[in-house]
Amino acid sequence: DAKTTQPTSMDCAEGRAANLPCNHSTISGNEYVYWYRQIHSQGPQYIIHGLKNNETNEMASLIITEDRKSSTLILPHATLRDTAVYYCIVRVAWNNAGNMLTFGGGTRLMVKP
Amino acid sequence: DSGVTQTPKHLITATGQRVTLRCSPRSGDLSVYWYQQSLDQGLQFLIQYYNGEERAKGNILERFSAQQFPDLHSELNLSSLELGDSALYFCASSATTGGTDTQYFGPGTRLTVL
Repeated sequence: DAKTTQPTSMDCAEGRAANLPCNHSTISGNEYVYWYRQIHSQGPQYIIHGLKNNETNEMASLIITEDRKSSTLILPHATLRDTAVYYCIVRVAWNNAGNMLTFGGGTRLMVKP
Repeated sequence: DSGVTQTPKHLITATGQRVTLRCSPRSGDLSVYWYQQSLDQGLQFLIQYYNGEERAKGNILERFSAQQFPDLHSELNLSSLELGDSALYFCASSATTGGTDTQYFGPGTRLTVL
């Protein structure tokens, strides 16, 4: 699976949009971009995933660049409860070696009042 | 609530001991994954089971073993425990074993080895 690079930490004001970048310059054509978050030692929580089109759900939007080498997770109106570590993960859809997730260091997002 | 349950929530034991962690996947999910999260190693994949069969192995120590039972619940057995095994252990489940299956994580078991 392709490696990802994320900033170690970011701050965001409550009520503003949080834009979390992820670089995955070695991504292959059959690899998806997944985002998970972990709120203070709780189990990681799935947020969203995409292949090449932009995606939106009730939690967030995922913007993937046309060359697919980077992506941005957008939390449109961050709240204090969005303070967490956000993980960007790249994974093939079907892998004979298993379906595991490979977590990097993630971005620690601090939402401030 | 992800629908994945893990017991116990906390476990404190001594070096050299053996413990069993239990995971019940979401209803209908056939795959179970185990992950370890320690302070210095981050979240690491240990092992995956699919419908009772081992599907993939990560950096799982030989002292650790797992199984998935016919009712699809899974147990992770940790033996000859060392101080360094202190960590959060998460179980996740997904419907199948590939595609764009979403993995849903349980709340974890915090293991402390004294």
